[in-house]
Amino acid sequence: NAGVTQTPKFRVLKTGQSMTLLCAQDMNHEYMYWYRQDPGMGLRLIHYSVGEGTTAKGEVPDGYNVSRLKKQNFLLGLESAAPSQTSVYFCASKPGQGARSPLHFGNGTRLTVT
Amino acid sequence: GQNIDQPTEMTATEGAIVQINCTYQTSGFNGLFWYQQHAGEAPTFLSYNVLDGLEEKGRFSSFLSRSKGYSYLLLKELQMKDSASYLCAVLNSGNTPLVFGKGTRLSVIA
Repeated sequence: NAGVTQTPKFRVLKTGQSMTLLCAQDMNHEYMYWYRQDPGMGLRLIHYSVGEGTTAKGEVPDGYNVSRLKKQNFLLGLESAAPSQTSVYFCASKPGQGARSPLHFGNGTRLTVT
Repeated sequence: GQNIDQPTEMTATEGAIVQINCTYQTSGFNGLFWYQQHAGEAPTFLSYNVLDGLEEKGRFSSFLSRSKGYSYLLLKELQMKDSASYLCAVLNSGNTPLVFGKGTRLSVIA
């Protein structure tokens, strides 16, 4: 059981380049989330999904797109990277709507945009 | 809207007790989580409170007062490995995602 796996672990992009961050979970979880974490800002929700084929905007969705074509994968895309998107990105999942279920986090992707 | 406040930084001595507070304002409350996050690592689940009172789990305890919009995480017999950030997160009613506070960075010193 690998849990939540994020790839890549590190990436450096130039302004204007695009990339996709992949999150994969093998726990059959319904809900998946993308957060970004910046110094002094805490974890902020970018987009999330409550099931295969569904996505919704979080607190800071601008500049990002997501897709959930398969239940186990949640992709985060940056179409035209900006220096403001330099951050650590965390993917998380949980089984479903049950309130008590905690989030399971991946190990993060450290992205630098120059 | 959602407002979650916790201190930015705290320092405590090895072997001591420390209390990390979290206050929140929400329109519909469905539980409060505490997570631990070591530098450079992912957050890991510590506790969940939805009813008033104290939940104890080994050296860590978490308290909730719904009427006061207040929670605290109590760490006893502090160890150097407890140096980490502690994240308070609130779950609102309905199908809404967890909202995190900015975290409290705890430094345990000898």
